[in-house]
Amino acid sequence: GAVVSQHPSRVICKSGTSVKIECRSLDFQATTMFWYRQFPKQSLMLMATSNEGSKATYEQGVEKDKFLINHASLTLSTLTVTSAHPEDSSFYICSASRGSGELFFGEGSRLTVL
Amino acid sequence: ELKVEQNPLFLSMQEGKNYTIYCNYSTTSDRLYWYRQDPGKSLESLFVLLSNGAVKQEGRLMASLDTKARLSTLHITAAVHDLSATYFCAVGMDSSYKLIFGSGTRLLVRP
Repeated sequence: GAVVSQHPSRVICKSGTSVKIECRSLDFQATTMFWYRQFPKQSLMLMATSNEGSKATYEQGVEKDKFLINHASLTLSTLTVTSAHPEDSSFYICSASRGSGELFFGEGSRLTVL
Repeated sequence: ELKVEQNPLFLSMQEGKNYTIYCNYSTTSDRLYWYRQDPGKSLESLFVLLSNGAVKQEGRLMASLDTKARLSTLHITAAVHDLSATYFCAVGMDSSYKLIFGSGTRLLVRP
């Protein structure tokens, strides 16, 4: 079964509202998780590194005030898209490692902003 | 800055044929991953290649890594329709598990 779980899998929201996406490692502790976004028919783009107990590290061009990341425990990271706009509509995917080079991806969360 | 180039971007092939997808990357790395993505789904891990000369096979797919040439290949043998999907290579950055993805290869296997 899945070792990294994301919730919700789909979310539709109105423009201007905020949406929270959760990423959980189910049977291991992850001090670091990663958030990616994927536009239709495109590749995955790394958005940020989520660090347990400290601030996230954002990639160049990613607005930290827009995409709030919180990694409050060793098994949970959350991504909040604040004041969402239609251009934020995308597929958001998280990943985490349980060591030895093995990486697991969540099932993804499809955000649609109306 | 690490760049990952994948080709071809789109591949239409007949069942039973063989083909290779290429993944080139621009800076030193010793971790390379191959993933499969079906439409509307997340990523399915296919291979993790962690050393120069690594070769791994699973069913009709075989992946290899040449860290000196900064090249990985994904070889498809006797393709079947079920292999139709998008395939991504991804290269590990530094000592973390941060990945930079290639553009993806959309594979369509025709009967």
